[in-house]
Amino acid sequence: QQQVKQSPQSLIVQKGGISIINCAYENTAFDYFPWYQQFPGKGPALLIAIRPDVSEKKEGRFTISFNKSAKQFSLHIMDSQPGDSATYFCAASPQETSGSRLTFGEGTQLTVNP
Amino acid sequence: NAGVTQTPKFQVLKTGQSMTLQCAQDMNHEYMSWYRQDPGMGLRLIHYSVGAGITDQGEVPNGYNVSRSTTEDFPLRLLSAAPSQTSVYFCASMLAGRTGELFFGEGSRLTVL
Repeated sequence: QQQVKQSPQSLIVQKGGISIINCAYENTAFDYFPWYQQFPGKGPALLIAIRPDVSEKKEGRFTISFNKSAKQFSLHIMDSQPGDSATYFCAASPQETSGSRLTFGEGTQLTVNP
Repeated sequence: NAGVTQTPKFQVLKTGQSMTLQCAQDMNHEYMSWYRQDPGMGLRLIHYSVGAGITDQGEVPNGYNVSRSTTEDFPLRLLSAAPSQTSVYFCASMLAGRTGELFFGEGSRLTVL
């Protein structure tokens, strides 16, 4: 079964809009939550990550919001640009693996229209 | 700096054939791993290694074999290919102590007929 559930499967946003992707997890041993961005024909690349001791982390236009009690976290992309069009994966890993063994969500294909 | 290099990029096999996907990294990373990516399922961990001579199974190890004789190389072997192994395979590496910062190769697309 999928231990990290991601939604939506696909998302279309207009340039300048806000893109929101949500993830939920089941394993309470998870304590590291990265987001990866993947362009067609390329491998995933780390975008931003958060630990559960903070509720929000912001890097430029990208923000992770984390709700530990609900076991949910989300990625917000502000002022979305056509160059942000990619597939986004949330992931999680337990403390003892130091993030080396990730459980990924199903992925969200984001399209930002000009 | 090449990073993580995977070969071949594309491969077509017949059911029952065996082959090896190659992965090499030049960043002196201790940790290496293999994932497979299938539509609607994200990436799933096949095997991983925390250093030369040490390997372990991930979430979906059946039908795959690995070895780690050097820090740089981590080949993935398909023993007897099956259509269910049609997928895109990604190798990743990570420096010990850099939590979660996995560096991925560009992938190897495998089709099993």
